[in-house]
Amino acid sequence: DAKTTQPNSMESNEEEPVHLPCNHSTISGTDYIHWYRQLPSQGPEYVIHGLTSNVNNRMASLAIAEDRKSSTLILHRATLRDAAVYYCILTSNFGNEKLTFGTGTRLTIIP
Amino acid sequence: DTAVSQTPKYLVTQMGNDKSIKCEQNLGHDTMYWYKQDSKKFLKIMFSYNNKELIINETVPNRFSPKSPDKAHLNLHINSLELGDSAVYFCASSQRPWTAAGNTIYFGEGSWLTVV
Repeated sequence: DAKTTQPNSMESNEEEPVHLPCNHSTISGTDYIHWYRQLPSQGPEYVIHGLTSNVNNRMASLAIAEDRKSSTLILHRATLRDAAVYYCILTSNFGNEKLTFGTGTRLTIIP
Repeated sequence: DTAVSQTPKYLVTQMGNDKSIKCEQNLGHDTMYWYKQDSKKFLKIMFSYNNKELIINETVPNRFSPKSPDKAHLNLHINSLELGDSAVYFCASSQRPWTAAGNTIYFGEGSWLTVV
């Protein structure tokens, strides 16, 4: 199974951009990169996903390396409400891949 | 309107009891899941149903039995509760099975189960 590696924790100041890295060196050509986040005492929520090209939505941007072995979730202007655990996950149409949530990155926002 | 709703939100019960957690989704999705998040915060899939058919059954004690009366509902029944069953249980749904690339999963708010 293709796996991801993320830092255990990160801190950022409020109203500044945040770059959350994810390594997925064994990614296959058909794997999508998904990001979810889990706010305190809530279920995980979808943030963004991509395959090869960088992606933007109202919540965040996803920058994917040209070799696809790493990606970065970008929160352009962090707020206190962005404090959460962020999970980077790979999904595929092939094989028996499971949507497995690793330990993620716990993001702390400093007021 | 809540997309994925589960009840109860909190449940405290004694060892040996039998309890159920109900889940409903109003998104018109074909696939539903149960996840368990333990005290160490690891989120692990337990079961998945697609069109009322069981497609994922992880290594879960047979005291746990999911039931899907229709595509919009997936209930979790737990027999003979043990202390180790204390956890947060999340219901979720998606348009297609999780193996589908680009598939987005929507989670409920969780059911906090405490076994005493």
